[in-house]
Amino acid sequence: DTGVSQDPRHKITKRGQNVTFRCDPISEHNRLYWYRQTLGQGPEFLTYFQNEAQLEKSRLLSDRFSAERPKGSFSTLEIQRTEQGDSAMYLCASSLTGMNTGELFFGEGSRLTVL
Amino acid sequence: GQQVMQIPQYQHVQEGEDFTTYCNSSTTLSNIQWYKQRPGGHPVFLIQLVKSGEVKKQKRLTFQFGEAKKNSSLHITATQTTDVGTYFCAGHTGGGNKLTFGTGTQLKVEL
Repeated sequence: DTGVSQDPRHKITKRGQNVTFRCDPISEHNRLYWYRQTLGQGPEFLTYFQNEAQLEKSRLLSDRFSAERPKGSFSTLEIQRTEQGDSAMYLCASSLTGMNTGELFFGEGSRLTVL
Repeated sequence: GQQVMQIPQYQHVQEGEDFTTYCNSSTTLSNIQWYKQRPGGHPVFLIQLVKSGEVKKQKRLTFQFGEAKKNSSLHITATQTTDVGTYFCAGHTGGGNKLTFGTGTQLKVEL
C-alpha cells in the first residue's frame, strides 16, 4: 500500500477520555501534517512535522492536544480529556520536500465522536 | 491570521452547465493549490499555481491565479455528475509550510 493510512478510522469515546490516532505517511515522504475537519468546513491546520521535528503548531491547538513523530516515520495525535467540541474528522497528510507540485497526500481520516 | 474565503458556499447546476468557484485570501499567497473532496472522501490534489496571473487547464477545468496573488478561481465547463464534490483552494504564505484551506464550495450536479 503506497498511500497514507490512518488508524482507527472511527472512534467513539466518552467526554473526559483520552484518544490517540496514528498516521503512517507515504514511506519516502519527510513532511507530515495533521488537520481537523468538521462538517461543511475546510480542513483546519493543526500541526506539521519535517522528519521528526515539529516545526509548526496551530494556536488553536490547546494543551490537551499533542502530536509526535518519534522516528520521522509514523505520527500519533493524542487528545487528552476529550470534549464534545473535539468531535471531528482528523486528517493526516504527507508530502515530500522538493516536489514540484507541493501536493499533500491525505489519508482517509479518523472520525472522532465524543459523547 | 490568514483567512481564505470561497464563494459561493453551495452551487447546484444542471448537468452540462458551467460552474465557477472563487477563492480570496486576506494575505498574499506564494502559491495556490486546489483540492477536490468527494462526499465521504478525503481531499485530493488537483493542481498548484505559482506565478502571478497564471492560468492552467486540465480538460474541462480551468484554474487562474490572480495578478496580486490574493485570489484564484476554478471554472468547470459543461459539468458532469462526476464533478460532484467540494472544491477547496489552499494557499501558502511567505516561506511557510502551513497550507491554509479555504471554506470550500460544494457542487451538486443534477441530471
